[in-house]
Amino acid sequence: SAVISQKPSRDICQRGTSLTIQCQVDSQVTMMFWYRQQPGQSLTLIATANQGSEATYESGFVIDKFPISRPNLTFSTLTVSNMSPEDSSIYLCSVLRGEYGTGELFFGEGSRLTVL
Amino acid sequence: RKEVEQDPGPFNVPEGATVAFNCTYSNSASQSFFWYRQDCRKEPKLLMSVYSSGNEDGRFTAQLNRASQYISLLIRDSKLSDSATYLCVVLNFNKFYFGSGTKLNVKP
Repeated sequence: SAVISQKPSRDICQRGTSLTIQCQVDSQVTMMFWYRQQPGQSLTLIATANQGSEATYESGFVIDKFPISRPNLTFSTLTVSNMSPEDSSIYLCSVLRGEYGTGELFFGEGSRLTVL
Repeated sequence: RKEVEQDPGPFNVPEGATVAFNCTYSNSASQSFFWYRQDCRKEPKLLMSVYSSGNEDGRFTAQLNRASQYISLLIRDSKLSDSATYLCVVLNFNKFYFGSGTKLNVKP
């Protein structure tokens, strides 16, 4: 397994502001991902955080709204920019252990964001 | 069509019951399959991988039917602590796709 620390664990933010979520892993991992889970919904992949290069975003998510950094193999940040109430959600960092195509995903505890 | 579909439930069962969840996936080329458990307000945690030959871990049995493109999870002798949402996950072309989850409530 992997020890994945996310912070903040929760926050309440005002509309129009931005929040950066940090994800720290206890060992080097190649693949890191950011997911969103809206209330009562399943997980939706936002992007793959690529070390040393721009993140790969899924359809419906753009870099201006969700800028991601991945400066090394153990750390990544996700920023939720210019927040609106629709951004209220749980944001989850995850890492892949094992070979791509056969490995397993492990998750951080999530960051619960409420936008007023 | 969604990549992964599950019955959302909830399944309300008494302690000691046997309960089964099914999940279907749309892409026949999908490579790997998993069941995750998610407790309320917690992150998903891997319950078990699902292999073509089927696999068992204590009270939990997972099976994969590639021909029909479905995955199942069987829980025997349900415990109160089994109450959670169970997520079916499929790895397809290097992306993990999550079902919407099946909620299980085990009652005394």
